[in-house]
Amino acid sequence: DAKTTQPPSMDCAEGRAANLPCNHSTISGNEYVYWYRQIHSQGPQYIIHGLKNNETNEMASLIITEDRKSSTLILPHATLRDTAVYYCIVRANTNAGKSTFGDGTTLTVKP
Amino acid sequence: DAGVIQSPRHEVTEMGQEVTLRCKPISGHNSLFWYRQTMMRGLELLIYFNNNVPIDDSGMPEDRFSAKMPNASFSTLKIQPSEPRDSAVYFCASTRGNIQYFGAGTRLSVL
Repeated sequence: DAKTTQPPSMDCAEGRAANLPCNHSTISGNEYVYWYRQIHSQGPQYIIHGLKNNETNEMASLIITEDRKSSTLILPHATLRDTAVYYCIVRANTNAGKSTFGDGTTLTVKP
Repeated sequence: DAGVIQSPRHEVTEMGQEVTLRCKPISGHNSLFWYRQTMMRGLELLIYFNNNVPIDDSGMPEDRFSAKMPNASFSTLKIQPSEPRDSAVYFCASTRGNIQYFGAGTRLSVL
């Protein structure tokens, strides 16, 4: 898995967009960018993933730069329930989804 | 679907006792993962199975830890004998495609 770098913490105002960055400058051509989050005392939860095109689902949007060396997870209208640790993981689609979790970004949504 | 089911949710035991953690993956998922989470070390992969066969156990800390998957719907992680440093939250995850679905975890306290 390629190494990822995320800021340790971020704040966001409720109702505003939360933009969480991730750097992955050593990403290989066959590696995907996955995002998970972990709300306090719960198991990690899958959010979204992508290879090189931008992706959107009901939870979030994923923007991947053209050189694929960085990406941004966007929560369009953050709520207090989005307060969590967000993990960016870069890996190939092999090994049945085996993932290496780093320290992630602790997002705090404030009223 | 009930999701990944782990039991017990909480376990308190004394040093030297045997501990067995249980996991029921989501039906139809063919890969299962055991992770351990502590404040100091974050979320660590211990072992994973594919089609009930252990594929990678390099994360198992030592011989006191063992994991089995006797069938597609059940797995156990056993610690014998347990030590205070084993205190952590243990997560089980199963995979559909390359997306992991996590259980709620078992919080283990070894006194």
